[in-house]
Amino acid sequence: DGGITQSPKYLFRKEGQNVTLSCEQNLNHDAMYWYRQDPGQGLRLIYYSQIVNDFQKGDIAEGYSVSREKKESFPLTVTSAQKNPTAFYLCASTRDPLGTYNEQFFGPGTRLTVL
Amino acid sequence: AQSVAQPEDQVNVAEGNPLTVKCTYSVSGNPYLFWYVQYPNRGLQFLLKYITGDNLVKGSYGFEAEFNKSQTSFHLKKPSALVSDSALYFCAVIPLDSNYQLIWGAGTKLIIKP
Repeated sequence: DGGITQSPKYLFRKEGQNVTLSCEQNLNHDAMYWYRQDPGQGLRLIYYSQIVNDFQKGDIAEGYSVSREKKESFPLTVTSAQKNPTAFYLCASTRDPLGTYNEQFFGPGTRLTVL
Repeated sequence: AQSVAQPEDQVNVAEGNPLTVKCTYSVSGNPYLFWYVQYPNRGLQFLLKYITGDNLVKGSYGFEAEFNKSQTSFHLKKPSALVSDSALYFCAVIPLDSNYQLIWGAGTKLIIKP
């Protein structure tokens, strides 16, 4: 089955720790995205990548970092600089690099909690 | 600033009744419009989109949406609600003169009561 996988499903972070969230897709999609979801808010874009070895900051990139070394993988690192990281994180992908008229496919999400 | 509004945090509908989830947008130019659904603790699923053409768009699970350019709205509708339709619904817009990134509404929680 084609799709997007995210791991882990739940993640707990101590203060001052960096953690990495995994996102893998086997849809052969060019563009990949990371969103943050907080209760009562829409999705906010953290980073996106339209092609391997290239990525751009979204609206709330501070305290996060990404890499895109392979087409199918787009891991997100939440650094200690992110002051309020507790949230639900969603990875998505879409077929065309601009991500215009094609819908995005979403992974099941990772819920990150800071202890 | 460009934005998407979903004016109702929650919509309650009795099973079998028609439902409407509202979405209005404020963007420059002619946008592409999308609806997604999210079940608890899950990722989002695509429902339908408007790119061009007929203003009434049909999508998954019996949902449809009507694009109204003069009112800048894209309301989601279904003629007869099911309890299984209960979920969080998001409207999203891509303004064509931007960097092609989706602008998301805050979401509307739809509760269908038996």
